[in-house]
This record gives sequence, C-alpha cells and structure tokens, in this order.
Amino acid sequence: GENVEQHPSTLSVQEGDSAVIKCTYSDSASNYFPWYKQELGKRPQLIIDIRSNVGEKKDQRIAVTLNKTAKHFSLHITETQPEDSAVYFCAASMGGGSYIPTFGRGTSLIVHP
Amino acid sequence: DSGVTQTPKHLITATGQRVTLRCSPRSGDLSVYWYQQSLDQGLQFLIQYYNGEERAKGNILERFSAQQFPDLHSELNLSSLELGDSALYFCASSVGSSGNRLSYEQYFGPGTRLTVT
Repeated sequence: GENVEQHPSTLSVQEGDSAVIKCTYSDSASNYFPWYKQELGKRPQLIIDIRSNVGEKKDQRIAVTLNKTAKHFSLHITETQPEDSAVYFCAASMGGGSYIPTFGRGTSLIVHP
Repeated sequence: DSGVTQTPKHLITATGQRVTLRCSPRSGDLSVYWYQQSLDQGLQFLIQYYNGEERAKGNILERFSAQQFPDLHSELNLSSLELGDSALYFCASSVGSSGNRLSYEQYFGPGTRLTVT
C-alpha cells in the first residue's frame, strides 16, 4: 500500500518567515495530494490540494509543489502569521471512486510573534 | 463549519463497553469516511461507505463496525472497548465518485473524543 513520509515533525519559525513542509510517497499510482491544517482540538481542514497533472498550485500565501518523478510534494507558506500555527498533514491517494488518502504523521508548525 | 455533524462530542466509557458514534454528511455528499486519530498513530482510515454500501476498508478492527443508512447518515459501532481505543474519531464526507474534481475533496466533522477508562 501507499506510504507517506512527512518532515519535519516540528517546525518553529518567526512571524514573517517562510515555512516549508515536505512529503514523499511510495505509490506512483497516487494522483491526488491534499494538505490539511488542524488546529488544536479541531477538525482537519483542507487548505490546498494538487493533482498529478499539475506541478505547482498557489493560493495567496500557500503553495504546493509536486515532483512526480521523485515522488515528493511540498507545502510552502510565505509571510507566516501566528494564526498559521497548527498541525499540517499531507496525504496521497489514488483518486476516483474510493479515494482513500494515506496521511503523513503531521508537522507541528509554530509561528512566534 | 464544514457542514458535517458528529455526535456526541465527548464520550467517556469503561473497558468492555460498546458505543455508537454518529455522523451526518454534508447535504448532497454520498460518501462517508471514518478515521481514528490518536497521538501515536496519526490519522488512520477505518472505513468508507458510498450511498449506503461499504466501499473500502482500512485498519478497522473486527470489534468495530459501521453502516450508512438510507438518509446517508452513518454510525460507527465500537465494542469490547479497550484502553487503546481512546482517540478522536472523525468522519468526513465527499460528493463521491462523480468523476469530477469535487469527488476528491473530503470535509471533516468536528470529531468525537472517546475516552475509555
């Protein structure tokens, strides 16, 4: 089955800095890669996603890049703010009917004011 | 608010007991997924239902079962509970296998925190 590795497990940055979280996946058939943000005690929320026919996608301060050859994808957050502090999960899946995502273990992002 | 509801929010019970968690998907979503989140295991997929039928199984124990009803709400039944079953249980819903992009996006409910003592 699919295996997703996520690094780092903890990331501490100063407000205004950029943050990068990286994930690798094992199954070359995976074609959909969502990222979720989970604040303490709350639900995971989809913040951005990318499909395998796209190399990069941006949404304001958030961007995701995908390298299918190397089987890795990354989340980039620019101009970080304290409210970006949360746990971020990457996931990989084969789309279609079932779409069962395999999640990374999460990255705890701490943005210091 | 994702539009997915889960009840109860918190549940405290004893080992050996049986509980039922309930999930109502977003209006129009046919697919329901159940996940378990514990500190040491991250988010683990348990089971998926689509329009009333089981679609996929993940790391779901035999002591756990689920179903999706004609009105599309779903229940997760956990029996013979053990201390290690203490976790956050999330359900998520999506449109399902419509063939378009929307079918990939999952919306999570607020979760049920289960504590087994």
